[in-house]
Amino acid sequence: DGGITQSPKYLFRKEGQNVTLSCEQNLNHDAMYWYRQDPGQGLRLIYYSQIVNDFQKGDIAEGYSVSREKKESFPLTVTSAQKNPTAFYLCASSIGKQGAVGYTFGSGTRLTVV
Amino acid sequence: AQSVTQPDIHITVSEGASLELRCNYSYGATPYLFWYVQSPGQGLQLLLKYFSGDTLVQGIKGFEAEFKRSQSSFNLRKPSVHWSDAAEYFCAVGSSGGSYIPTFGRGTSLIVHP
Repeated sequence: DGGITQSPKYLFRKEGQNVTLSCEQNLNHDAMYWYRQDPGQGLRLIYYSQIVNDFQKGDIAEGYSVSREKKESFPLTVTSAQKNPTAFYLCASSIGKQGAVGYTFGSGTRLTVV
Repeated sequence: AQSVTQPDIHITVSEGASLELRCNYSYGATPYLFWYVQSPGQGLQLLLKYFSGDTLVQGIKGFEAEFKRSQSSFNLRKPSVHWSDAAEYFCAVGSSGGSYIPTFGRGTSLIVHP
């Protein structure tokens, strides 16, 4: 079955460490997105990519980085510059380049700073 | 800029009762509107979407939503709630001009009593 796979499901980061969250899709979707979810705050857009080798900052890109070397993969790195990284991270994809037809979401990665 | 408001943080209903979750948006042109559902610790699933045409939209799991331009609303309804409907519900609005990337509301948590 087609879908989006996020790994790992749980991730623990020590202070000062960079960590990378994986997102892979086999839906042949053009666009991919990273969202951060905190309790009571809904979803906030971190980065998005509409085509390979191109990506744009979202509303809260500081302290994060991404790459899009392959259509099916859009990994997110949480750098040490992100001062409050504990959150639930969601990856999504869409057929259209800008999500107008709706998103397909992965099951998320919960990141905790220890 | 587009924005979306979900006025209710929590809604409690009895199993078998009807449900209405409120969503108000702010956008000048005709918006693209979505409702998503999220089970605990999972990603979001698209319930339904409105782009144009009939203002009453049918979705999955027996949900429907009605677009009311005069009230800037897109409320989600279900005639009879099941215990399995307990989840977090998110409304999202996208624009037909400029970036289509939707803005999400903060969510409404649905609690279902037996």
